This record gives sequence, structure tokens and C-alpha cells, in this order.
Amino acid sequence: DGGITQSPKYLFRKEGQNVTLSCEQNLNHDAMYWYRQDPGQGLRLIYYSQIVNDFQKGDIAEGYSVSREKKESFPLTVTSAQKNPTAFYLCASSMSGNSYNEQFFGPGTRLTVL
Amino acid sequence: GENVEQHPSTLSVQEGDSAVIKCTYSDSASNYFPWYKQELGKRPQLIIDIRSNVGEKKDQRIAVTLNKTAKHFSLHITETQPEDSAVYFCAANSGGYQKVTFGTGTKLQVIP
Repeated sequence: DGGITQSPKYLFRKEGQNVTLSCEQNLNHDAMYWYRQDPGQGLRLIYYSQIVNDFQKGDIAEGYSVSREKKESFPLTVTSAQKNPTAFYLCASSMSGNSYNEQFFGPGTRLTVL
Repeated sequence: GENVEQHPSTLSVQEGDSAVIKCTYSDSASNYFPWYKQELGKRPQLIIDIRSNVGEKKDQRIAVTLNKTAKHFSLHITETQPEDSAVYFCAANSGGYQKVTFGTGTKLQVIP
């Protein structure tokens, strides 16, 4: 299970605050992804990045922002504009942006908005 | 964009019986279909995948079938064991093959 880490495991925030979730990988993977997991809705793609300094919106990008300044890191910021941010967030990486490559997931961060 | 539907949402089987999970997709250009397993409290992991140039693929007790004409694919687990209990996600590639779209998941319970 090693190779891709997320921190923190649990995160609490007050309404109106921005919060940043960390994702780091030492697999030398080019592509990284952020998913949101809600009960009964599967894994929904927020943002993805195929290479350093480049990223694209996924299916539910509104209220989120990302950066990809380093190959190993792909932090996700949940902004106050996200109307329903309480969820389980999963980061993943793959060898390249080609969708045929297996995605390796981190352990996840559970975000709760109080 | 791609839309992947998955059924059933929950499935209970007796140990030793078979389990089948079905998925449909909307984008006729999709050509890669992975399946991920997520055990309780753990991260999803790839268990099997299939490309559109084959109709079936097997790996021990797990098999996946693909019907491109009907745009549906299925996961078959034979001789189920308690450790097969988990949530299973199907997926299909999309967006010019840069990403995959996941189904909503099937919670499989194997009763000893």
C-alpha cells in the first residue's frame, strides 16, 4: 500500500473556510487524480493532471482548485464556494495520463464541515 | 461525456455461490474497462481489466465479459469466499482516453 500518501486522515473545517488536502507519491508517476467518494455515488473525478504544471477539470470541479508544481505532489484546495464539501476524498496516481494504466489510490481524507 | 451505470447496488450471496455485477456505458469510443475492489476502510485496488479487442478475460475465480455491441460488461466471481466481501467499482475510459469514469459501486456480502 505504500507509495502514495494523503494527509490528514480526518479534517474538520468551519463553513466559509478554505482547506487544503495533501497528496504525495514517490512512484515516479506522471499522472495524478482527485476523486470524491459519497455513499451511493461511486468515485467522481474532481481534477486530474497528466504532467507537471498542467491539470484539467474533471466532472465536479466547481468549488475546488489544484496545483501541480512538483511531480510528486498534487494538493487539492476545497474552497468556501463548494456547497457540500463533507465527503471522503481520494487521490490517485498512474504511470502516465494514458487511461490504460492502473491507478494507485491513497488512503483518503475524510473532510467534515461543521 | 461518458456515463457508467452499475447494478445491483448491493448483492448478498452464500459462500461458494457465484456473484455477477453488471455495468453499461454510453460512449461507444470507450475501449478500456477496469474493475476496482474496495475493502472496508481500505483504498480501491485494481483487480482485473479488459480491452475492447477481447470479449472475455479470466484470472482465477474472477472473469470479466464485454459486449461492445450492447455496451455492457460484467464481473463474474465464482466460488465466492468471505474475503470477497467488498465494494466493487466498474469503470470505462473516456475523454480521449485520458481518464476513467466510475460506476456507483456494488456492495458484495458473502455470507459464510
